[in-house]
Amino acid sequence: EADIYQTPRYLVIGTGKKITLECSQTMGHDKMYWYQQDPGMELHLIHYSYGVNSTEKGDLSSESTVSRIRTEHFPLTLESARPSHTSQYLCASSADKGSGEGYTFGSGTRLTVV
Amino acid sequence: GNSVTQMEGPVTLSEEAFLTINCTYTATGYPSLFWYVQYPGEGLQLLLKATKADDKGSNKGFEATYRKETTSFHLEKGSVQVSDSAVYFCALRENDKIIFGKGTRLHILP
Repeated sequence: EADIYQTPRYLVIGTGKKITLECSQTMGHDKMYWYQQDPGMELHLIHYSYGVNSTEKGDLSSESTVSRIRTEHFPLTLESARPSHTSQYLCASSADKGSGEGYTFGSGTRLTVV
Repeated sequence: GNSVTQMEGPVTLSEEAFLTINCTYTATGYPSLFWYVQYPGEGLQLLLKATKADDKGSNKGFEATYRKETTSFHLEKGSVQVSDSAVYFCALRENDKIIFGKGTRLHILP
């Protein structure tokens, strides 16, 4: 079954550690997105990609970085985690079929930096 | 620029009550409109969508009609259940990116 997977679901990590949040999709979607969701529920776009070797920063400035070496894989990396990075991170993908298509979301990674 | 405004929550209702969550939008062209639902501890799931004026999206008893004249896409359900407790996001897409509202938390009491 086509889907989008995020690992880990939950992560507690110490300040200064490097972390990578994984996102993979099996739908062959060219477009992928990372959102940061604050406790007030609002979604903030932090990175997006329109295909292999394409990455762009989103509307909210983030210290994280992303890469897109394969169509199905869009990992997000924090080189040095800080408590301010504590949040829920959601990955999404979309088929390139025009504006009538919605996004498919993963289940999210809840990150806590202590 | 494009934007989405939805009613602030939390909204608390008793089981079997009628639900309306208001959503209005601002767009320069002719966007597609969506409602997403987020259950506790999960990502967002597409609930319903409408791609042109007067279209009605429906799913799981929820409905929303694309009203171009009032730039609205209100979510309705005739009889809510405890299992409908979640956060609901109204959204629009005109080009490559979806713009989300801030979300409305819904609590249904048994």
